[in-house]
Amino acid sequence: LAKTTQPISMDSYEGQEVNITCSHNNIATNDYITWYQQFPSQGPRFIIQGYKTKVTNEVASLFIPADRKSSTLSLPRVSLSDTAVYYCLVGDMGGRNQGGKLIFGQGTELSVKP
Amino acid sequence: DTEVTQTPKHLVMGMTNKKSLKCEQHMGHRAMYWYKQKAKKPPELMFVYSYEKLSINESVPSRFSPECPNSSLLNLHLHALQPEDSALYLCASSPSEGEGEKLFFGSGTQLSVL
Repeated sequence: LAKTTQPISMDSYEGQEVNITCSHNNIATNDYITWYQQFPSQGPRFIIQGYKTKVTNEVASLFIPADRKSSTLSLPRVSLSDTAVYYCLVGDMGGRNQGGKLIFGQGTELSVKP
Repeated sequence: DTEVTQTPKHLVMGMTNKKSLKCEQHMGHRAMYWYKQKAKKPPELMFVYSYEKLSINESVPSRFSPECPNSSLLNLHLHALQPEDSALYLCASSPSEGEGEKLFFGSGTQLSVL
């Protein structure tokens, strides 16, 4: 079972690019890397997923090096509304990890200041 | 309709009360989930329903009683709760319980037990 490690918290300012790195040294060959975002008082929502190299969508980019032992979620030009907790999960294409269950780690609390 | 709707948004109850949390989705999803989230902690899985049958119970105390009347509805019946049960209760759904299926979360019910 691949365990993930992320910084507990990060601070940023509006307009900056934010990079959140997740370590997953024991990632399995068929594991995907999935990120969920959770705003205060809301449920988590899927934002991006990748297997290797780089994935980009309208919300974020995900960079995965060749050894796949880590990944970096990149949020370009953050705004106050990007203040949220970001969870990195390693597992199947839905992020499910433990026996098909979606189990969240501690996440990274991002605070964006004006 | 791509939403998971939870009612009520807020609930205050005494330890002798009986109350129910409701969750509804109209995406045709056949798997539904209850998660519990304490402040500053990640969501914790409680129950999983697949095709209206309980498939996972994460050793949740019997004072929490889930019910899935049909494929669109999920209830969580509460009885004789303790103050430490105060938390955000999140409902989620996915197309099936199968591998690779992403979860869609509702905004949760913030429960306070007095």
